[in-house]
Amino acid sequence: AQTVTQSQPEMSVQEAETVTLSCTYDTSESNYYLFWYKQPPSRQMILVIRQEAYKQQNATENRFSVNFQKAAKSFSLKISDSQLGDTAMYFCAFTAYQGGSEKLVFGKGMKLTVNP
Amino acid sequence: EPEVTQTPSHQVTQMGQEVILRCVPISNHLYFYWYRQILGQKVEFLVSFYNNEISEKSEIFDDQFSVERPDGSNFTLKIRSTKLEDSAMYFCASSRGNGRSNIQYFGAGTRLSVL
Repeated sequence: AQTVTQSQPEMSVQEAETVTLSCTYDTSESNYYLFWYKQPPSRQMILVIRQEAYKQQNATENRFSVNFQKAAKSFSLKISDSQLGDTAMYFCAFTAYQGGSEKLVFGKGMKLTVNP
Repeated sequence: EPEVTQTPSHQVTQMGQEVILRCVPISNHLYFYWYRQILGQKVEFLVSFYNNEISEKSEIFDDQFSVERPDGSNFTLKIRSTKLEDSAMYFCASSRGNGRSNIQYFGAGTRLSVL
């Protein structure tokens, strides 16, 4: 069974600073995907970034980048130049590529607050 | 931008009653999912649906739960006889495909309160 662990329940950062959110996972699968989802207050979860496990290059999306360490089973999210709109719950998630429907396994989430 | 919509946003029901949670997935998506999040706990997978049938379900998804895609646009989750422990946020999600098309788009959720 796959598990995803987010050990930091809450963090805060000053606007314009950089923050790193940590995530570890456990799996015996070789083909899988990792995701970071963001959930602003009272809004739906939206995808921040996705990493394919077979790609060694770390994914980046504008101010968001990941540090994917496959051997260590670690998948951290770095947010550069934090903005007030980054305040949200952040969920790390995993799915194994199975060729059919691919359920997500989530971490418990981390509440990020960006302070002005 | 297309989005997944869920109704109602909040449902209050008495224990033992049946509830139907409704979702409208993104129109060209083929895979549909339900997840739930009990307050303070992880988001948990309930069921996935593809080609008009359940493709996978978790051990949570027992006989009191059922899913349906009645008309090609709606995707519903029915809980037949609600229990107090069914109180949770229920999220619907859809994806265009699997593999590289596996990004799941989520609705805002339905908060179910069982009294």
